[in-house]
Amino acid sequence: NAGVMQNPRHLVRRRGQEARLRCSPMKGHSHVYWYRQLPEEGLKFMVYLQKENIIDESGMPKERFSAEFPKEGPSILRIQQVVRGDSAAYFCASSPGQAENIQYFGAGTRLSVL
Amino acid sequence: DAKTTQPPSMDCAEGRAANLPCNHSTISGNEYVYWYRQIHSQGPQYIIHGLKNNETNEMASLIITEDRKSSTLILPHATLRDTAVYYCIVRPLFGNEKLTFGTGTRLTIIP
Repeated sequence: NAGVMQNPRHLVRRRGQEARLRCSPMKGHSHVYWYRQLPEEGLKFMVYLQKENIIDESGMPKERFSAEFPKEGPSILRIQQVVRGDSAAYFCASSPGQAENIQYFGAGTRLSVL
Repeated sequence: DAKTTQPPSMDCAEGRAANLPCNHSTISGNEYVYWYRQIHSQGPQYIIHGLKNNETNEMASLIITEDRKSSTLILPHATLRDTAVYYCIVRPLFGNEKLTFGTGTRLTIIP
Protein backbone atom coordinates (compact mmCIF):
# COMPACT_ATOMS: atom_id res chain seq x y z
CA ASN A 1 0.00 0.00 0.00
CA ALA A 2 1.86 3.01 -1.27
CA GLY A 3 1.95 6.09 0.89
CA VAL A 4 1.40 9.67 -0.14
CA MET A 5 3.46 10.33 -3.24
CA GLN A 6 4.78 13.76 -4.06
CA ASN A 7 6.69 14.80 -7.14
CA PRO A 8 9.03 16.18 -7.98
CA ARG A 9 11.09 15.83 -4.82
CA HIS A 10 13.20 18.81 -5.80
CA LEU A 11 12.21 21.64 -8.11
CA VAL A 12 14.35 24.55 -9.21
CA ARG A 13 12.75 27.57 -10.81
CA ARG A 14 13.92 31.04 -11.79
CA ARG A 15 12.06 34.08 -10.60
CA GLY A 16 8.92 34.63 -12.66
CA GLN A 17 8.48 31.01 -13.72
CA GLU A 18 5.66 28.72 -12.69
CA ALA A 19 5.96 25.84 -10.26
CA ARG A 20 3.63 22.82 -10.28
CA LEU A 21 3.74 20.42 -7.35
CA ARG A 22 1.89 17.12 -7.51
CA CYS A 23 0.44 14.96 -4.76
CA SER A 24 -1.12 11.53 -5.10
CA PRO A 25 -2.95 10.57 -1.91
CA MET A 26 -2.89 7.17 -0.30
CA LYS A 27 -5.22 4.61 -1.80
CA GLY A 28 -8.72 5.12 -0.48
CA HIS A 29 -8.07 8.67 0.72
CA SER A 30 -10.24 11.41 -0.70
CA HIS A 31 -8.98 14.36 1.35
CA VAL A 32 -5.77 16.26 0.65
CA TYR A 33 -4.01 18.95 2.66
CA TRP A 34 -1.06 21.11 1.63
CA TYR A 35 1.41 22.56 4.14
CA ARG A 36 4.44 24.77 3.66
CA GLN A 37 7.63 24.86 5.69
CA LEU A 38 9.83 27.88 5.16
CA PRO A 39 13.54 27.49 6.01
CA GLU A 40 14.07 27.16 9.76
CA GLU A 41 10.34 27.62 10.41
CA GLY A 42 7.42 25.40 11.35
CA LEU A 43 4.82 23.78 9.16
CA LYS A 44 1.95 26.02 8.14
CA PHE A 45 -1.36 24.89 6.70
CA MET A 46 -2.19 26.18 3.25
CA VAL A 47 -5.25 24.48 1.80
CA TYR A 48 -7.60 21.53 2.28
CA LEU A 49 -9.32 19.88 -0.67
CA GLN A 50 -11.69 17.06 -1.36
CA LYS A 51 -12.28 15.71 -4.82
CA GLU A 52 -13.11 18.66 -7.08
CA ASN A 53 -13.72 20.98 -4.12
CA ILE A 54 -11.66 23.41 -2.06
CA ILE A 55 -12.86 23.13 1.52
CA ASP A 56 -10.51 25.47 3.37
CA GLU A 57 -7.98 27.78 1.73
CA SER A 58 -7.46 30.05 4.71
CA GLY A 59 -3.69 29.51 4.64
CA MET A 60 -3.15 30.21 0.97
CA PRO A 61 -1.48 33.44 -0.08
CA LYS A 62 -4.03 35.62 -1.86
CA GLU A 63 -2.08 35.93 -5.08
CA ARG A 64 -0.14 33.57 -7.35
CA PHE A 65 -1.06 30.38 -5.45
CA SER A 66 -3.80 27.96 -6.46
CA ALA A 67 -4.68 24.35 -5.76
CA GLU A 68 -6.89 21.73 -7.30
CA PHE A 69 -7.83 18.12 -6.75
CA PRO A 70 -9.58 16.89 -9.88
CA LYS A 71 -11.87 13.90 -10.10
CA GLU A 72 -9.11 11.98 -11.80
CA GLY A 73 -5.41 12.41 -11.13
CA PRO A 74 -3.28 13.97 -8.42
CA SER A 75 -3.76 17.15 -6.49
CA ILE A 76 -1.80 20.07 -7.91
CA LEU A 77 -0.39 23.06 -6.05
CA ARG A 78 0.44 25.75 -8.57
CA ILE A 79 2.60 28.78 -7.91
CA GLN A 80 2.70 31.41 -10.63
CA GLN A 81 5.50 33.94 -11.10
CA VAL A 82 7.61 32.49 -8.32
CA VAL A 83 9.72 34.74 -6.11
CA ARG A 84 12.65 33.85 -3.88
CA GLY A 85 10.40 33.95 -0.83
CA ASP A 86 8.50 30.95 -2.22
CA SER A 87 11.56 28.77 -1.62
CA ALA A 88 10.39 26.19 0.90
CA ALA A 89 9.43 22.59 1.46
CA TYR A 90 5.85 21.86 0.46
CA PHE A 91 4.23 18.85 2.09
CA CYS A 92 1.05 17.12 1.13
CA ALA A 93 -1.01 14.99 3.50
CA SER A 94 -4.00 12.78 2.83
CA SER A 95 -6.71 11.30 5.00
CA PRO A 96 -9.67 9.01 4.48
CA GLY A 97 -12.16 11.64 5.58
CA GLN A 98 -14.01 9.30 7.85
CA ALA A 99 -13.65 7.39 11.08
CA GLU A 100 -10.33 8.21 12.75
CA ASN A 101 -9.19 10.85 10.34
CA ILE A 102 -5.41 10.59 10.58
CA GLN A 103 -3.40 12.67 8.14
CA TYR A 104 -0.44 10.93 6.55
CA PHE A 105 2.28 12.98 4.91
CA GLY A 106 4.36 12.66 1.81
CA ALA A 107 8.11 13.24 1.62
CA GLY A 108 7.61 16.76 0.32
CA THR A 109 8.75 18.86 -2.62
CA ARG A 110 11.63 21.23 -2.04
CA LEU A 111 11.25 24.31 -4.18
CA SER A 112 14.27 26.49 -4.80
CA VAL A 113 13.80 29.80 -6.58
CA LEU A 114 16.93 31.28 -8.12
CA ASP B 1 -2.14 29.43 16.76
CA ALA B 2 -1.04 26.19 18.36
CA LYS B 3 -2.96 25.28 21.52
CA THR B 4 -0.04 23.36 22.98
CA THR B 5 3.18 24.19 24.80
CA GLN B 6 6.29 22.04 24.57
CA PRO B 7 9.89 22.46 25.72
CA PRO B 8 12.05 23.58 22.79
CA SER B 9 14.65 20.87 23.19
CA MET B 10 15.56 17.72 25.11
CA ASP B 11 18.36 15.19 25.18
CA CYS B 12 18.06 11.51 25.94
CA ALA B 13 20.66 8.76 26.16
CA GLU B 14 20.41 5.99 23.63
CA GLY B 15 18.56 2.98 25.01
CA ARG B 16 16.78 4.97 27.69
CA ALA B 17 13.15 6.03 27.70
CA ALA B 18 12.46 9.45 26.22
CA ASN B 19 9.61 11.30 27.91
CA LEU B 20 8.31 14.30 26.00
CA PRO B 21 5.83 16.55 27.83
CA CYS B 22 3.07 18.67 26.35
CA ASN B 23 0.70 21.16 27.97
CA HIS B 24 -2.75 21.70 26.46
CA SER B 25 -4.66 23.39 29.26
CA THR B 26 -7.39 24.77 26.94
CA ILE B 27 -8.21 21.47 25.26
CA SER B 28 -11.89 21.02 24.43
CA GLY B 29 -13.96 17.97 25.22
CA ASN B 30 -14.04 16.76 21.62
CA GLU B 31 -10.36 17.32 20.93
CA TYR B 32 -7.82 14.55 20.79
CA VAL B 33 -4.10 14.78 21.41
CA TYR B 34 -1.98 13.84 18.39
CA TRP B 35 1.76 13.37 18.17
CA TYR B 36 3.79 13.67 15.01
CA ARG B 37 7.51 13.82 14.47
CA GLN B 38 9.68 15.22 11.71
CA ILE B 39 13.05 13.68 11.13
CA HIS B 40 15.38 16.11 9.42
CA SER B 41 14.14 17.14 5.96
CA GLN B 42 11.49 14.41 5.87
CA GLY B 43 7.71 14.66 5.92
CA PRO B 44 5.97 14.58 9.30
CA GLN B 45 5.31 11.09 10.59
CA TYR B 46 2.19 10.21 12.59
CA ILE B 47 3.04 8.55 15.91
CA ILE B 48 -0.03 8.17 18.10
CA HIS B 49 -3.21 9.88 19.28
CA GLY B 50 -5.54 9.66 22.26
CA LEU B 51 -8.55 11.20 23.98
CA LYS B 52 -8.32 10.47 27.70
CA ASN B 53 -7.10 6.93 28.13
CA ASN B 54 -3.49 5.95 27.88
CA GLU B 55 -2.56 4.58 24.48
CA THR B 56 0.25 2.37 23.23
CA ASN B 57 1.31 1.25 19.80
CA GLU B 58 4.44 -0.16 18.22
CA MET B 59 6.12 3.24 18.21
CA ALA B 60 5.27 4.86 21.52
CA SER B 61 3.01 5.26 24.53
CA LEU B 62 0.84 8.28 25.26
CA ILE B 63 -0.05 9.18 28.83
CA ILE B 64 -2.82 11.77 29.25
CA THR B 65 -3.54 13.27 32.67
CA GLU B 66 -6.97 12.78 34.15
CA ASP B 67 -7.87 16.45 33.68
CA ARG B 68 -6.55 16.20 30.08
CA LYS B 69 -4.56 19.39 30.46
CA SER B 70 -1.24 17.73 29.74
CA SER B 71 0.23 14.60 28.24
CA THR B 72 3.53 12.77 27.84
CA LEU B 73 4.81 10.87 24.84
CA ILE B 74 7.09 8.01 25.82
CA LEU B 75 9.57 6.36 23.49
CA PRO B 76 10.50 3.31 25.58
CA HIS B 77 13.95 2.55 24.19
CA ALA B 78 15.24 5.52 22.25
CA THR B 79 17.57 4.96 19.32
CA LEU B 80 19.63 7.41 17.29
CA ARG B 81 16.94 7.25 14.60
CA ASP B 82 14.47 8.81 17.02
CA THR B 83 16.33 12.12 16.81
CA ALA B 84 13.68 14.47 15.42
CA VAL B 85 11.35 17.36 16.17
CA TYR B 86 8.25 16.09 17.99
CA TYR B 87 4.96 17.93 17.67
CA CYS B 88 2.00 17.70 20.04
CA ILE B 89 -1.27 18.81 18.42
CA VAL B 90 -4.85 18.98 19.67
CA ARG B 91 -7.63 18.57 17.16
CA PRO B 92 -11.07 17.01 16.91
CA LEU B 93 -10.84 13.39 15.77
CA PHE B 94 -14.02 13.10 13.78
CA GLY B 95 -13.56 16.09 11.59
CA ASN B 96 -11.37 17.18 8.77
CA GLU B 97 -9.68 20.15 10.28
CA LYS B 98 -6.15 21.16 9.51
CA LEU B 99 -3.26 20.33 11.77
CA THR B 100 -1.80 23.35 13.56
CA PHE B 101 1.87 22.73 14.23
CA GLY B 102 3.65 24.61 17.00
CA THR B 103 7.40 24.78 17.42
CA GLY B 104 7.67 21.27 18.85
CA THR B 105 10.45 19.69 20.89
CA ARG B 106 13.76 18.95 19.25
CA LEU B 107 14.77 15.59 20.74
CA THR B 108 18.40 14.58 20.41
CA ILE B 109 19.40 11.02 21.24
CA ILE B 110 22.91 10.88 22.63
CA PRO B 111 25.04 7.79 21.86
